[in-house]
This record gives sequence, C-alpha cells and structure tokens, in this order.
Amino acid sequence: NAGVTQTPKFQVLKTGQSMTLQCAQDMNHEYMSWYRQDPGMGLRLIHYSVGAGITDQGEVPNGYNVSRSTTEDFPLRLLSAAPSQTSVYFCASSRPSSYNSPLHFGNGTRLTVT
Amino acid sequence: QKEVEQDPGPLSVPEGAIVSLNCTYSNSAFQYFMWYRQYSRKGPELLMYTYSSGNKEDGRFTAQVDKSSKYISLFIRDSQPSDSATYLCAMGAVGEGAQKLVFGQGTRLTINP
Repeated sequence: NAGVTQTPKFQVLKTGQSMTLQCAQDMNHEYMSWYRQDPGMGLRLIHYSVGAGITDQGEVPNGYNVSRSTTEDFPLRLLSAAPSQTSVYFCASSRPSSYNSPLHFGNGTRLTVT
Repeated sequence: QKEVEQDPGPLSVPEGAIVSLNCTYSNSAFQYFMWYRQYSRKGPELLMYTYSSGNKEDGRFTAQVDKSSKYISLFIRDSQPSDSATYLCAMGAVGEGAQKLVFGQGTRLTINP
C-alpha cells in the first residue's frame, strides 16, 4: 500500500523556471491538498481539492496552480519560480467530511530556487 | 498574530521524563484539535485527535483541550528516544472540513538516552 506518493524528492530550480510537483494517492480519497513547510511557519495550505474537477485556494496560493482531473492525482505547478518558494512541499489526502479521518501526508518534495 | 501559536523549541529531555507540549489559539470557532508527529525527512502523521474540550489518552500519550483558555496540550509519559520528532498541533473549525486545518509551527523534541 503506497499511500501518498510525491515526486521528485528533491529539486533545484533557477528563478523564473517552471515545474510540476507530482502527487498520487491510491486510497481512493476524495480530498487532496498541498502544504508548504517553512522554518518557524509550520504547515501552510496552498491549494486543496474536494474531488475531481474541483479545486480551491488555501492560505498561500499565489504563484501556484493546481488541477484535479482524476481522483488519484493532484499536481502542483510553479509558474515562474522565485526564491521565496524555496520550501518543503507536502501533499496530503483524506476521506471527505470527517475530522476522524486523518490527513495522510506524502514524504515531501524539497525545493530550492536559486 | 498567528491563529495558532506553538513554541518551536527545540526541547531536549532525558529518557523517561514526562514531556509537555502546548499550543494556544485565538479562533473560538476551532472545535477539532489534533497532534501530528513528524520524523525527520518524513511527512506528518496523526498522533492524537480530540473534539471540543476534555482529555484523551492513548498509551503513553495524553491530549488535553481547555477551550476556555484556548490552550491545548500533549503529554508524553515515560518518553523514549523513538519519540524524538517534531510535534505539530493542528486545529479545525466546524464546517471547514479536514482540508482546512491550521497548523502550529511545530516543536522539535529530542529524547536523550
């Protein structure tokens, strides 16, 4: 059981480059989300999706795009990378409408923008 | 001011000690309170979940919620080196859904053998 799989594990970008962080889950979870984790800031929600075809913004959405064409996949796109986007990015999924159902996190993508 | 405040530590204690981790919050709408544990280079995993006020115990771990003071705690008894990790509190409001959790900054804990 793979759970939530994120690729790549590490990435270095130059300012202005674009890239897509991949996230896939095999638990048939309807909810998926992206967080970034920075020192002293905790986890901050970037975008989330309540099901295929439905996405919404979180706390820090600027500079990022998402789409959800399938239940399994929820890619995060950086349109034009900036040094401020250097961070560790976590994808998470859960069953709908229940706090008893925990967020299942991937192991993160460590992104450095130079 | 952040909605959820958590002392980032680091906190270092000897094996067997009782550990107390705390978070304060400002949003009265929070009804769901969670503690996540995150090992180095890994994603967070749910450790404890509490709804509204009160205590919840699971083995060596006890979670407490005091809504009147907007204060939550996680106690670890007989701490072990394997408990060394970053602990994040997380909170959610009714109607917001599990996807809209607000996390604290995380406290880095080291248990020394």
